[in-house]
Amino acid sequence: GENVEQHPSTLSVQEGDSAVIKCTYSDSASNYFPWYKQELGKGPQLIIDIRSNVGEKKDQRIAVTLNKTAKHFSLHITETQPEDSAVYFCAASIRGSARQLTFGSGTQLTVLP
Amino acid sequence: DTEVTQTPKHLVMGMTNKKSLKCEQHMGHRAMYWYKQKAKKPPELMFVYSYEKLSINESVPSRFSPECPNSSLLNLHLHALQPEDSALYLCASSQRSLSGELFFGEGSRLTVL
Repeated sequence: GENVEQHPSTLSVQEGDSAVIKCTYSDSASNYFPWYKQELGKGPQLIIDIRSNVGEKKDQRIAVTLNKTAKHFSLHITETQPEDSAVYFCAASIRGSARQLTFGSGTQLTVLP
Repeated sequence: DTEVTQTPKHLVMGMTNKKSLKCEQHMGHRAMYWYKQKAKKPPELMFVYSYEKLSINESVPSRFSPECPNSSLLNLHLHALQPEDSALYLCASSQRSLSGELFFGEGSRLTVL
C-alpha cells in the first residue's frame, strides 16, 4: 500500500519568515495530494490540494509543489503569522479509487512572535 | 466554521456503558467517514459510508458499531470500550467516497475510564 513520510515533525519559525514542510510518497499511482491544518482542539481543515497534472498551486500565502518523478510534494507558507501555528498533515490518494487517503505523520508548526 | 457538526464534544464513559457519537452534515455529501485520532498522530480511518451503505470497515472491533440513518446523519455506537479506546473521534464527509476531498468535524473527545 501507499506510504507517506513527512518531515520535519516539528518546525519553529519567526513571525514573517517562511515555513516549508516536505512529504514523500511511495505509490506512483497516487494522483491527489491534500494538506490539512489542525488547530488545537479542532478537526483537520483542508487548506490546499494539488493533483498530479499540476506542478504547483498557490493560494495567497500558501503554495504546494509536486515533483512526480521524485515522488515528493511540499507545503510552503510565506510571511508566517502566529495564527499559522498548528499541526499540518499531508496526504496522498488515488482520486477516483476506493483507496482512501494515506496521511503523513504530521508537522507541529510554531510561529514565534 | 465547520459544516460537519459532531456531538457531544466531550464524552466520559465507563467500560460497561453504552453511548453514541453523532455527526450531521448538510452539504449534500454522499460519503461519510469515522476516523480515530490519538494524540500527536494522524487520523486513522475506521468506517466509510457511501450512499448510506457501509463500504469500508477497517477491521474495527465490534464494540464500535456505525449507523447511517440517512444521507445527512452518521452515528457511532459505543459499547464495552477499553481505556485504550480513549481518543478524538472525527467525522468527515465528501461529495463521493472516491473524492478524497474530506471535510472534517471538530471531533468528539472520548475518555474511557
